[in-house]
Amino acid sequence: EAQVTQNPRYLITVTGKKLTVTCSQNMNHEYMSWYRQDPGLGLRQIYYSMNVEVTDKGDVPEGYKVSRKEKRNFPLILESPSPNQTSLYFCASSRREPRGVYNEQFFGPGTRLTVL
Amino acid sequence: AQTVTQSQPEMSVQEAETVTLSCTYDTSESDYYLFWYKQPPSRQMILVIRQEAYKQQNATENRFSVNFQKAAKSFSLKISDSQLGDAAMYFCAYRSIGGTSGSRLTFGEGTQLTVNP
Repeated sequence: EAQVTQNPRYLITVTGKKLTVTCSQNMNHEYMSWYRQDPGLGLRQIYYSMNVEVTDKGDVPEGYKVSRKEKRNFPLILESPSPNQTSLYFCASSRREPRGVYNEQFFGPGTRLTVL
Repeated sequence: AQTVTQSQPEMSVQEAETVTLSCTYDTSESDYYLFWYKQPPSRQMILVIRQEAYKQQNATENRFSVNFQKAAKSFSLKISDSQLGDAAMYFCAYRSIGGTSGSRLTFGEGTQLTVNP
């Protein structure tokens, strides 16, 4: 089954304790992205990756890191989490179509993160 | 930068009736995609419908249809014969075509739809 998986699905942690949220897709998609969802703000992009070893900042990258060493994986790293990073996080992936167009994004199930 | 605005934080509809959710966007680009995503209580993001800006014909998917007004930069979603399972948060989203910015989805704030039996 074609899918995007995220782990963990729920996480409660404390301020300053480094954590990683994993994301993996089995569709051989070139493009992957992380979003955070907050009430009244919709989803906002944190980081994205156009392909292996190619990453760039989205709208709200502060406090986050990413890496893309393999095509299928795109982990989100919070080096020193703070309470304002409490949110619902989504990973998404997309295939690169001919002429460089990126079409539909497939979303993971989301990770609910609480930072105390 | 593109922006997407959903001016209705909440909407309600009676089962079997029709409801329209509004979305406006701002862009200087001429070619792009527009999407409506549904997010039920499970929080899964589900693609409802997609519109390519160069296509004048409005997209339709079963009971879901859009009214795409390119000049007005408006992209509303009409749900016909509403069902209890349609109750969800609905997000309008914009995506450029190609280039480095072509990878990003810009979302609106969302509209929470309630379906009353």
